[in-house]
Amino acid sequence: DGGITQSPKYLFRKEGQNVTLSCEQNLNHDAMYWYRQDPGQGLRLIYYSQIVNDFQKGDIAEGYSVSREKKESFPLTVTSAQKNPTAFYLCASSFLGQGNQPQHFGDGTRLSIL
Amino acid sequence: DQQVKQNSPSLSVQEGRISILNCDYTNSMFDYFLWYKKYPAEGPTFLISISSIKDKNEDGRFTVFLNKSAKHLSLHIVPSQPGDSAVYFCAASLNTGFQKLVFGTGTRLLVSP
Repeated sequence: DGGITQSPKYLFRKEGQNVTLSCEQNLNHDAMYWYRQDPGQGLRLIYYSQIVNDFQKGDIAEGYSVSREKKESFPLTVTSAQKNPTAFYLCASSFLGQGNQPQHFGDGTRLSIL
Repeated sequence: DQQVKQNSPSLSVQEGRISILNCDYTNSMFDYFLWYKKYPAEGPTFLISISSIKDKNEDGRFTVFLNKSAKHLSLHIVPSQPGDSAVYFCAASLNTGFQKLVFGTGTRLLVSP
C-alpha cells in the first residue's frame, strides 16, 4: 500500500537536545512538507521541498532543519534552538502542480519535552 | 493575520441530518480550496476540493460550495453519519511557485445517533 510513514509516533526531548523526526513516502511524490499543529490552531508550514537536494523555509522555520537526500525521505530535526517544540508534527507529500494536487499526510509525531 | 478562518470551533448534528461547515478567507489570490478530515492522533485525510473558478463540487455525500464575492465556502455533508465525527479543516491553496496551503483552525463535528 502506498502512503506516508512517520516515526516515531511519540517522542520526548530533553533540554538542549536535538531530535529527528522521520518521514518516508512511497507515493512517488515530488514535493514534501512539514507542518506543526498546536492545540486550537491550524497547521503551520515549517519547511517544504520540491526536489531532491533542495528545500525552502516555510512560515515557522526557526529552530528546525531538514534534508532531502532521497525523493522518498524528508527528515525534520528539531534543534535545541526551538524553544517551544511541544507540538504535533505532520509530514505531507504531493505531486507538483496546481492546487488540485492534494497533499497527503502521515499520521504524525507528537513531540513532548521531558 | 488569519487568511483562512473557521469561526465555529464545534458543531453537533443528529445522524441523517445535514452538516454544514463554514470557512471564510481574505486573500482573493487563492486558486483552490480543500477540505480535510482529521481523527485524533491521525493525519488529515483529503476529502474534496474546488477550483476558484467553480461554485460547486460534489462527491457522494460531500458537496463544497464557493461564493467568491463573499469569500466564503462551505462543506455540506448529507446525510451525516456517526463516522463523520472528526475535526474538519478548510485549506486554501496559493500558487507561489509551489502549492502553499493555508489552513483554518478546524471545526469539530459531532454526529450523534
